[in-house]
Amino acid sequence: SQELEQSPQSLIVQEGKNLTINCTSSKTLYGLYWYKQKYGEGLIFLMMLQKGGEEKSHEKITAKLDEKKQQSSLHITASQPSHAGIYLCGADRSGTASKLTFGTGTRLQVTL
Amino acid sequence: ETGVTQSPTHLIKTRGQQVTLRCSSQSGHNTVSWYQQALGQGPQFIFQYYREEENGRGNFPPRFSGLQFPNYSSELNVNALELDDSDLYLCASSLVGTMNTEAFFGQGTRLTVV
Repeated sequence: SQELEQSPQSLIVQEGKNLTINCTSSKTLYGLYWYKQKYGEGLIFLMMLQKGGEEKSHEKITAKLDEKKQQSSLHITASQPSHAGIYLCGADRSGTASKLTFGTGTRLQVTL
Repeated sequence: ETGVTQSPTHLIKTRGQQVTLRCSSQSGHNTVSWYQQALGQGPQFIFQYYREEENGRGNFPPRFSGLQFPNYSSELNVNALELDDSDLYLCASSLVGTMNTEAFFGQGTRLTVV
């Protein structure tokens, strides 16, 4: 079974709409990473959260980590076609940053 | 853009052959990890190298091996290639030992085994 669950698996939103992607871990995390991936390409680092209750924002993307450090959400405000891609959350349980366990990803399409 | 570079970008090999993939880590980073990503799935951790030694391994057979060099670059070697090894291979670099625990990925190598 997946230790890290992402929902939804796919999402189609109209340009300008807001959306939220969720990531839930069965275990407490040392850190939670969010990445974006274009089909067949590498992962683009978005944000990393380490503290319970932490929230970070970059441009129109906001990520939060709950107090128990088991659930995170990624919120995009006023979506644009450039936001389309696959969003992946990665769990760091060892504190070594690059031994990450990933969810299966959320595929986002933004329609005009 | 990150400073993590991988080569080659695409590769076609025959079943049973051996392959070497290369990764140049971001300047200032001391740790490299390798991942295998199947289509429609999240990346799966293969192993990590720190101070030129393997520092953790995922559920992959011994025919997957690696090296890290003094300049922190790394290689992933796969022996006796199987058709199921056809995937995207990603490397990630990070700096272990400080509070800065960002992990940056390269663009990946697409391996096709025929």
